[in-house]
Amino acid sequence: GAVVSQHPSWVICKSGTSVKIECRSLDFQATTMFWYRQFPKQSLMLMATSNEGSKATYEQGVEKDKFLINHASLTLSTLTVTSAHPEDSSFYICSARDGTGTDTQYFGPGTRLTVL
Amino acid sequence: GENVEQHPSTLSVQEGDSAVIKCTYSDSASNYFPWYKQELGKRPQLIIDIRSNVGEKKDQRIAVTLNKTAKHFSLHITETQPEDSAVYFCAASGVGNYQLIWGAGTKLIIKP
Repeated sequence: GAVVSQHPSWVICKSGTSVKIECRSLDFQATTMFWYRQFPKQSLMLMATSNEGSKATYEQGVEKDKFLINHASLTLSTLTVTSAHPEDSSFYICSARDGTGTDTQYFGPGTRLTVL
Repeated sequence: GENVEQHPSTLSVQEGDSAVIKCTYSDSASNYFPWYKQELGKRPQLIIDIRSNVGEKKDQRIAVTLNKTAKHFSLHITETQPEDSAVYFCAASGVGNYQLIWGAGTKLIIKP
């Protein structure tokens, strides 16, 4: 149980294009999903917290107009990197928390984004 | 806000020996402390967690201890094996706030 999928696993795009990453909870309903960014050999950096049916809460320094998050259902959240630039290249990971009151976060496998 | 410090940043131990990784947190209201293992290029995987109403929890070769007074918690891995080599992250979260505040990570190297 508690499986989270993420798609695509990797993507290469040209500078200026937009990329959408999907995060799905496969066997539970995720009331809250989190989006992280991870640079090589570093810890996870929380970008935003997404609750189903409401606007995402962004961490300080994260541009909400650049990183669009939509949590349209209890099993799906999407992150769209708009007008991507090389500095947006990174490993993006989502996690999901179920609605049973526990704090456990289950992670997706991550998406490696490379912007040329 | 909450801050989590993790030490050491790199830990090298002989196969079969024990490994201990320590974390301290700043917010006394934090009540949930998970440990994740991340292999290169893969997702973090929860290996053990502890809540503030418990002082110690064990799962086979892995144990976590929590000292609420001192605001620190530790991961203990006994009888280390090559497959234990990975980066380990500690984290903390508070009541009603499901965000995790992460430590910087510890790269554990198991020497054959």
